[in-house]
Amino acid sequence: QVQLQESGPGLVKPSETLSLTCTVSGGSISSYYWSWMRQPPGKGLESIGYIYHSGSTNYNPSLKSRVTISLDTSKNQFSLKLSSVTAADTAVYYCAGSPNTRYFDFWGQGSLVTVSS
Amino acid sequence: DIQMTQSPSSVSASVGDRVTITCRASQGIGNWLAWYQQKPGKGPKLLIYTASSLHGGVPSRFSGSGYGTDFTLTISSLQPEDFATYYCQRANSFPPGFGQGTRLEIK
Repeated sequence: QVQLQESGPGLVKPSETLSLTCTVSGGSISSYYWSWMRQPPGKGLESIGYIYHSGSTNYNPSLKSRVTISLDTSKNQFSLKLSSVTAADTAVYYCAGSPNTRYFDFWGQGSLVTVSS
Repeated sequence: DIQMTQSPSSVSASVGDRVTITCRASQGIGNWLAWYQQKPGKGPKLLIYTASSLHGGVPSRFSGSGYGTDFTLTISSLQPEDFATYYCQRANSFPPGFGQGTRLEIK
């Protein structure tokens, strides 16, 4: 059973870079597609983007200019960086994994990131 | 951009009841639709994919149907562990889009 766990700072200042890491256990990161999603308070889920185990990526056009998703196969982790954050980026951030790009089989429990000075 | 609209936004029901949740896409998406269940403090759990295929380990009381723009998730006989929030997700193109959620509460 693949399990995912997000980690990173819970508070980020405006204009700085949000950084989160997802640790994969119970399976190899050298399989599947690995995604980041977010859910602002009281709002719906939004896809941020994904990375394949080959290293290829695809980002939501609405965030593309500010997003980087990367893999660290030696640590079985993948990471999210979101630059120039504002209060609108305050959300619960989820990492997810799937054997395809369409549906999301595995999810972390989520990490709340608040953007505030 | 294709919008996903769920109804109702919340519903109250009792253990043993049959419940149906509806998801409508603003344009046709074939059968590229998934349903997820989310409980407080947890990530979503995949229930149904390609509109009607049951994900591994999901109880058979859950079923999905629909094609094009109109889709339904049915729980045939509610169990205590089914009280949660349910989301639909279109999967026809990237980025995927989610409905706003339906909160299923105990009556």
